[in-house]
Amino acid sequence: AQSVTQLGSHVSVSEGALVLLRCNYSSSVPPYLFWYVQYPNQGLQLLLKYTSAATLVKGINGFEAEFKKSETSFHLTKPSAHMRDAAEYFCAVTLGGGATNKLIFGTGTLLAVQP
Amino acid sequence: GAVVSQHPSRVICKSGTSVKIECRSLDFQATTMFWYRQFPKKSLMLMATSNEGSKATYEQGVEKDKFLINHASLTLSTLTVTSAHPEDSSFYICSARGERGHGYTFGSGTRLTVV
Repeated sequence: AQSVTQLGSHVSVSEGALVLLRCNYSSSVPPYLFWYVQYPNQGLQLLLKYTSAATLVKGINGFEAEFKKSETSFHLTKPSAHMRDAAEYFCAVTLGGGATNKLIFGTGTLLAVQP
Repeated sequence: GAVVSQHPSRVICKSGTSVKIECRSLDFQATTMFWYRQFPKKSLMLMATSNEGSKATYEQGVEKDKFLINHASLTLSTLTVTSAHPEDSSFYICSARGERGHGYTFGSGTRLTVV
């Protein structure tokens, strides 16, 4: 079965600093990996996804993530944090592009951005 | 882009009553719908997967008689929490997916409070 592990339930950075949110996956077959952002009492918004094409994936709001098979990682980064980036971030994994494939989420990382 | 509308956004009900949550795909045909439950400051827990016209597949530990899921059309799925109790209070989120290659689109969530 596939799973993702997010290291660090809380991450705090200063405005303008680098954002690094960690995600490691476990999958018996090549996975599809996703990063989502959730603001309080709202649904999830897709930031970016890896679907076996380019290993460096660029997403919205200046975020990007790199798929590293050797490290089984898919860490999310942003060069310069902004106050509006404060939110909960979820890494998720699924097996391939089948329409019925389940999306399995990590436990989430709450990002705080200090002025 | 793909849009999923989820209603209501908030609902308060009395213990013992039933509550229906609707999830509609507005601009695509949702072959598959996923229903998640999110506890405060926790990740999303997949409850069930439903395909249009067939019975939902429930995850282990989820009571199918408690959480009734109907996916009668390609644009509408409903989750009914029957005989609700305070422990059913939670944030429920739906996700819809179309044909192969279509991403997962999330609804905005429903905050259920059972008093």
